[in-house]
Amino acid sequence: AAGVIQSPRHLIKEKRETATLKCYPIPRHDTVYWYQQGPGQDPQFLISFYEKMQSDKGSIPDRFSAQQFSDYHSELNMSSLELGDSALYFCASSLGISAPQETQYFGPGTRLLVL
Amino acid sequence: LAKTTQPISMDSYEGQEVNITCSHNNIATNDYITWYQQFPSQGPRFIIQGYKTKVTNEVASLFIPADRKSSTLSLPRVSLSDTAVYYCLVGERQAGTALIFGKGTTLSVSS
Repeated sequence: AAGVIQSPRHLIKEKRETATLKCYPIPRHDTVYWYQQGPGQDPQFLISFYEKMQSDKGSIPDRFSAQQFSDYHSELNMSSLELGDSALYFCASSLGISAPQETQYFGPGTRLLVL
Repeated sequence: LAKTTQPISMDSYEGQEVNITCSHNNIATNDYITWYQQFPSQGPRFIIQGYKTKVTNEVASLFIPADRKSSTLSLPRVSLSDTAVYYCLVGERQAGTALIFGKGTTLSVSS
């Protein structure tokens, strides 16, 4: 079965640079979520989109922005990168209206290293 | 959002049944209980979800008492490959609603 696709899988950037992470949800899924997981930490929710509209917002820095496009893929844009942004970034997708309950399926993640 | 509490770590041997209990005293009426499994450097993987009583799938069982203030994930006959972090999450199941991960349980399975 098709899964969530994230690209790139690995990314190395320097401080103050920008990065763009991409997420392609499972076909027919209309909801995407972004999570950040630092070394030894638990996943932390950043932001989500349902039907191309921002749905929920977590601890996403102002330097980050995201959007969901008409084909439901999503991009997380990160500017003025800091060393502390080094982490695994997961995208998850779900079917917004599903039975019996909504389940989030996670992608393999993008490992970002900021030097 | 209901806060969850689960053991930090558990040890087991291959072939044993493992039960991980999660406490969620403030669970709301519309909240569901969901368990995820995560291997190092991989995305969390959905295991099972339930609202009340017992739910079983090909991987695990989830036991939820009538008051819903706790839940127990049961893994039958664990193997070495079940070594992972297990997260218990509680929340409403609506489109776009975030999963709030607390401290998971690190399960170590030995031979």
